[in-house]
Amino acid sequence: DAGITQSPRHKVTETGTPVTLRCHQTENHRYMYWYRQDPGHGLRLIHYSYGVKDTDKGEVSDGYSVSRSKTEDFLLTLESATSSQTSVYFCAISELRGGSYEQYFGPGTRLTVT
Amino acid sequence: DAKTTQPNSMESNEEEPVHLPCNHSTISGTDYIHWYRQLPSQGPEYVIHGLTSNVNNRMASLAIAEDRKSSTLILHRATLRDAAVYYCILTKTLGTSYDKVIFGPGTSLSVIP
Repeated sequence: DAGITQSPRHKVTETGTPVTLRCHQTENHRYMYWYRQDPGHGLRLIHYSYGVKDTDKGEVSDGYSVSRSKTEDFLLTLESATSSQTSVYFCAISELRGGSYEQYFGPGTRLTVT
Repeated sequence: DAKTTQPNSMESNEEEPVHLPCNHSTISGTDYIHWYRQLPSQGPEYVIHGLTSNVNNRMASLAIAEDRKSSTLILHRATLRDAAVYYCILTKTLGTSYDKVIFGPGTSLSVIP
């Protein structure tokens, strides 16, 4: 258990509304990630962070923004939610073990955009 | 980014060994081979990783080909709880720097009672 929590765990929102998902970790990990998972697509990287205020884009970053103002929190924002953003969102951290980094995932947030 | 290729699905009988293959012919010398699995309705979980030598832990074994262009995750005795999607990915670690991680579609393992 890497001390990762996600909030909310479930959310239903309407098209066009802003939505922010929160990932919180308690163990001072440097690297944090946001993924989305959809049937037939597997896990796709949205954005990741390699330190406070240091973020970069992943494979599917369009329509999403992130912020990391403190080590423990990594926020994912959908500025104007669309139905195509209905998905399960996973946050992850990386921890260096055995010469390489292992990823640990949060429990996920199920987002439905109607 | 170096890519991996895995079969879409595999089946195994309960209590039998399972060998999950992964091809990574464009692997570079600094790439580690990682395996994760995702149980239904859960986030992925780390299984094992290695660089050149075979590795064992309480969950599984990882056999890495001598040329490192392929690897095999071995579950010694499949249980119903091992039914999951298994992902083989390559990660690059250079000192304390870490790159983004890209997951492929993985192999969906079914375990037959």
